[in-house]
Amino acid sequence: GENVEQHPSTLSVQEGDSAVIKCTYSDSASNYFPWYKQELGKRPQLIIDIRSNVGEKKDQRIAVTLNKTAKHFSLHITETQPEDSAVYFCAATPNSGGGADGLTFGKGTHLIIQP
Amino acid sequence: KAGVTQTPRYLIKTRGQQVTLSCSPISGHRSVSWYQQTPGQGLQFLFEYFSETQRNKGNFPGRFSGRQFSNSRSEMNVSTLELGDSALYLCASSLVLSGEQYFGPGTRLTVT
Repeated sequence: GENVEQHPSTLSVQEGDSAVIKCTYSDSASNYFPWYKQELGKRPQLIIDIRSNVGEKKDQRIAVTLNKTAKHFSLHITETQPEDSAVYFCAATPNSGGGADGLTFGKGTHLIIQP
Repeated sequence: KAGVTQTPRYLIKTRGQQVTLSCSPISGHRSVSWYQQTPGQGLQFLFEYFSETQRNKGNFPGRFSGRQFSNSRSEMNVSTLELGDSALYLCASSLVLSGEQYFGPGTRLTVT
């Protein structure tokens, strides 16, 4: 099955700086890669996703890049703000619609924004 | 649209008992997935239901089971509870099988 590795486990950045979280996956059949943000005591919230037919996707201060050859994808947050502090999870799935194995998640990155 | 809802939000059970958790998906969503979240193992996929049929299953023992009703609501059952079953159980709904998933608030299960 799929295996997703996520780094770093903790990331502390100054407010206003950029943050980058990286994930690698093992199953070359995976073609859907979402990112979730989970604040303490809250549900995971889908913040951005990318499919394997594109290499980059942006939504305001958030961007995701995908390198299918190297089997890695990254989350980029620019101009970080205190409300960006949370645990971020990457995930991957074949999403074939007929034999997918659900989302396989990374272990999470605790992002801390220092004022 | 109302989001995904789960009941109950908190549950305390004793080893050996069984428990049933409920999930109501976003209106119009036909797929419901269940995940277990623990500090040690993170988020792990349990199973996914679509059109009342289990389509995918994760690597969990047979004590974990589920079902989906014709209105897409889903229930998850855990029998013969063990201490290690203490976790946050999250369900997620999506419009189509294995599509973009939106999570509910979870049910916090504590087994004593």
